Amino acid sequence: ETGVTQSPTHLIKTRGQQVTLRCSSQSGHNTVSWYQQALGQGPQFIFQYYREEENGRGNFPPRFSGLQFPNYSSELNVNALELDDSALYLCASSFQGINNSPLHFGNGTRLTVT
Amino acid sequence: DAKTTQPPSMDCAEGRAANLPCNHSTISGNEYVYWYRQIHSQGPQYIIHGLKNNETNEMASLIITEDRKSSTLILPHATLRDTAVYYCIVRVGYGNKLVFGAGTILRVKS
Repeated sequence: ETGVTQSPTHLIKTRGQQVTLRCSSQSGHNTVSWYQQALGQGPQFIFQYYREEENGRGNFPPRFSGLQFPNYSSELNVNALELDDSALYLCASSFQGINNSPLHFGNGTRLTVT
Repeated sequence: DAKTTQPPSMDCAEGRAANLPCNHSTISGNEYVYWYRQIHSQGPQYIIHGLKNNETNEMASLIITEDRKSSTLILPHATLRDTAVYYCIVRVGYGNKLVFGAGTILRVKS
């Protein structure tokens, strides 16, 4: 069983730039979600995707957007990067269809905005 | 806001049981309690979850009080590799939105 994998592991961008982060869901999972974890804090929910559509969103502005592909892999896009976007970005997958299927997280992408 | 309250930190001797408490007094009848842990620089790792019955797996045991207002995660024989931040989460609905609090930093000492 392949776990959740994310790429790249580390990334440095400049304020105002755009970034795309990638995630491969755990095999058999059909739902993916993204979280942002600032240094010293718990992860915060950004949004989730099911059947290639966003169906839940946290308190994040529209410049945070995403995609889910037919193979259940996913991308997180962030436009107009701000210094406060520096964080660990985590992808999590689960199987929607089984009550309370646990989320399984990847090890994240560490984004630094300078 | 997180629906759970946990102590900020705990210490445990290697080889002893680690008992991590969590209060969730506003939990609703169909909401599950989940436990995750996060080791430095890694993603959160799923440990266990339960509704109202006690649960056990290869990693830990979860004891939920009869009124469901609190629970305890038990690591039966803690090792140095169990040093991590442990998050107790009440999962609302079946979506993937988990609300993380500050968690408990567990330090296992030799």
